Order: sequence, then C-alpha cells, then structure tokens
Amino acid sequence: DAEITQSPRHKITETGRQVTLACHQTWNHNNMFWYRQDLGHGLRLIHYSYGVQDTNKGEVSDGYSVSRSNTEDLPLTLESAASSQTSVYFCASTQGSGGTDTQYFGPGTRLTVL
Amino acid sequence: AQSVTQPDIHITVSEGASLELRCNYSYGATPYLFWYVQSPGQGLQLLLKYFSGDTLVQGIKGFEAEFKRSQSSFNLRKPSVHWSDAAEYFCAVGPFTGGGNKLTFGTGTQLKVEL
Repeated sequence: DAEITQSPRHKITETGRQVTLACHQTWNHNNMFWYRQDLGHGLRLIHYSYGVQDTNKGEVSDGYSVSRSNTEDLPLTLESAASSQTSVYFCASTQGSGGTDTQYFGPGTRLTVL
Repeated sequence: AQSVTQPDIHITVSEGASLELRCNYSYGATPYLFWYVQSPGQGLQLLLKYFSGDTLVQGIKGFEAEFKRSQSSFNLRKPSVHWSDAAEYFCAVGPFTGGGNKLTFGTGTQLKVEL
C-alpha cells in the first residue's frame, strides 16, 4: 500500500544545531507540504512543493528550508534550531492542483529543542 | 486572507449522544472545506470534504457536515458518538487565493467521550 512516512518520530536536539526531518511518500504525488502543530495554533504551513525542484514558503517559514530533488522526498531542515521550534511536524502530500484533493498526512515528528 | 475559526477548544459528550462541532470560515470565493480527525499520536485523516453540489456531505465513520454559505459555516455532526471518536478534529479551508491546494486549518476541537 502507498504511504507517507516520517523519520525520526521523536528527536531531541540542542539550540543552534542543524536538524533534518525526513518525509517520504510512495503515492507518487506531485505536491508535498510541511506543517507544524502547536497548541492553540492548529496546523501552520511551513513550506510546500508542487514538484521536483519547486519549493515555496508558507506562513511560518523563517528558520526552515526544504529541497525537492525527487518526487518521493521532501526533507525539512532547521538551519539553527531554536527553542521556539519545539513542535510536532507533519508532512502531507496530494496529487492534484485544483484544491479538492485529499491531503494525506504522515504520522508526525515530535521535535524538542533544548 | 482566508481563515478558519473553531470556537470550541474542548467538547465532552456522553457515549451515544449526538455531536456537533462548529466551524466558521472566511473566504473570498467559493471555498473548499474539509474536516480532518487526529487520533492521539497519529497524523490527520480526512473525514469528509465539500467543494460543490449537495450542501450536506457524508463522510467516513458516520460523520456528516453541512455547508451553509449564508452563515459561513461547515459544522460537523454525528448522531451517536462512540468512545473511539475521542480525538482532535480540524476544519480546513482552501485553496489559497491564486490557486494551488494549500489549506488553512482551524485550531482544532478536542473531543472527549464519557462512557
């Protein structure tokens, strides 16, 4: 079965370190998204990609970067981790571009920055 | 800018009772509306979606939602709640102005089911 996976599921790091969160989908979807989930804020969009070599900033992109070198993967990098980036991170993917397609979510990565 | 409001942060219902979770949106055109559910420690799963046609949409797990344009609402309902429905529920609206399929999510409603 097609799926979307994230690794690691839990990560503890220190302030100032670079961290990369992996997202891999086997749906062969063109569109991939990274969200962070925080209490009182719901899900907020960090970055997204509509295809290979395409990346775009979301509403909370400062301090994060992504790259898309193939269809299956969209890694999220925290260049210099900050305590404000402690959160649960979700990756999602969808095929179509018209806005009606279901977004499929990964299980999430819980990141703690000490 | 588009936005979604879920006025209830927490809701507690008894098993077997009916449920309604509120969602209000702000959007400049005809919205696409979604309800997702998140079980503890899990990712989000789509319950149902609306983008045209019949304003009452049926979803999985016995859920339904009604789109009311005049009230800018898309409330989620279930006639009889089961203990396994305890989860967090998110309403979302899209697409972003200018196209694409990015979604704006509400802050979520945590549902607790009393046995």
